[in-house]
Amino acid sequence: DAKTTQPNSMESNEEEPVHLPCNHSTISGTDYIHWYRQLPSQGPEYVIHGLTSNVNNRMASLAIAEDRKSSTLILHRATLRDAAVYYCILRGGWQKLVFGQGTRLTINP
Amino acid sequence: ETGVTQTPRHLVMGMTNKKSLKCEQHLGHNAMYWYKQSAKKPLELMFVYSLEERVENNSVPSRFSPECPNSSHLFLHLHTLQPEDSALYLCASSQGSSISYEQYFGPGTRLTVT
Repeated sequence: DAKTTQPNSMESNEEEPVHLPCNHSTISGTDYIHWYRQLPSQGPEYVIHGLTSNVNNRMASLAIAEDRKSSTLILHRATLRDAAVYYCILRGGWQKLVFGQGTRLTINP
Repeated sequence: ETGVTQTPRHLVMGMTNKKSLKCEQHLGHNAMYWYKQSAKKPLELMFVYSLEERVENNSVPSRFSPECPNSSHLFLHLHTLQPEDSALYLCASSQGSSISYEQYFGPGTRLTVT
């Protein structure tokens, strides 16, 4: 599975947008970009995924660079409940989710 | 609530005990997974079942034995564990085998081996 690089931590303020970056320069043409998050003391939670085009759902937006070597998860209006570790994952193999260290997001009131 | 339940939520067992972890999904999914999350380490995939057939075993020691009697239930049977097996064990399910499908995780079982 191709590798992703994310900042170890980020901080933002409540009700402001948050842009979480992910670099995946070795992505292959068939790799999907998945984002999950893990709140304290809980299992991971699916956020969003995409292949080539930008994607939106009720939780977030995913902006994928034209060359697909990077992507950005966008939380439009952060709340305290969005404080979590966010994982950017490439899935090219059959069913395998490979979690890295992720980005720990802190939201300030 | 994700539609994936796990029991028990917490388990303390001695190294000579035998116990089982249970996972149930209420989503009508066809694939189920066991993951291990140790302190300060990334999530590790242990086993994958698709349509009740084991399709992946990630070099997991034989003291961990999975069982998938039907598409809604998944068990992890534990015996003669070691203290380093203490971790959060997570179950997940997905709709199908395609890499485009997202996985839904249960809350996990916090296992402590004494």
